[in-house]
Amino acid sequence: EAGVAQSPRYKIIEKRQSVAFWCNPISGHATLYWYQQILGQGPKLLIQFQNNGVVDDSQLPKDRFSAERLKGVDSTLKIQPAKLEDSAVYLCASSPTGATQYFGPGTRLTVL
Amino acid sequence: GENVEQHPSTLSVQEGDSAVIKCTYSDSASNYFPWYKQELGKRPQLIIDIRSNVGEKKDQRIAVTLNKTAKHFSLHITETQPEDSAVYFCAVSLNTGFQKLVFGTGTRLLVSP
Repeated sequence: EAGVAQSPRYKIIEKRQSVAFWCNPISGHATLYWYQQILGQGPKLLIQFQNNGVVDDSQLPKDRFSAERLKGVDSTLKIQPAKLEDSAVYLCASSPTGATQYFGPGTRLTVL
Repeated sequence: GENVEQHPSTLSVQEGDSAVIKCTYSDSASNYFPWYKQELGKRPQLIIDIRSNVGEKKDQRIAVTLNKTAKHFSLHITETQPEDSAVYFCAVSLNTGFQKLVFGTGTRLLVSP
């Protein structure tokens, strides 16, 4: 079974620039999650999709972050404009049941 | 919201020793408790999980125990090996229609040969 795919793996941008991350979940997994993991901390949930609908985005900084999963499969997470404190690893995870989550390799974002 | 505390933040053991990591949570309605292992620069990987209707679960050298009354659960690793060295995260799932994980702060385990 193929795992969760993410791209790019690394991204370096300057503050106030925009950036987008892509995630392809495990086939058949209806639930998709985006997490932010700051160095030395545990993952923090940003947004959770069930198929193409948002079920939780309470911790998403909506003034600069946006995410979509238009066809209920792939998802993109965008940051516009980026701030220094957005430097982190952005992890995508998927789940068939909403409980056991499988993580992708993550995208390491550095904002200069 | 849910609050998850994890201790210790770092743990150093000799190869062959046992390691125990403990997490406490605040929401008594939480019903799913996974443990993830994250090696440097890698993705978190599920190593074991337990649900609230079970008190203990074991998988070879790894076990998890749950005390619902005290609202804490622990990861036990026996006969540790250098390849067990990693950061371990506990997580707690809120009892909502869609499971939402809240992660602990992580424990860096170092197993010395």
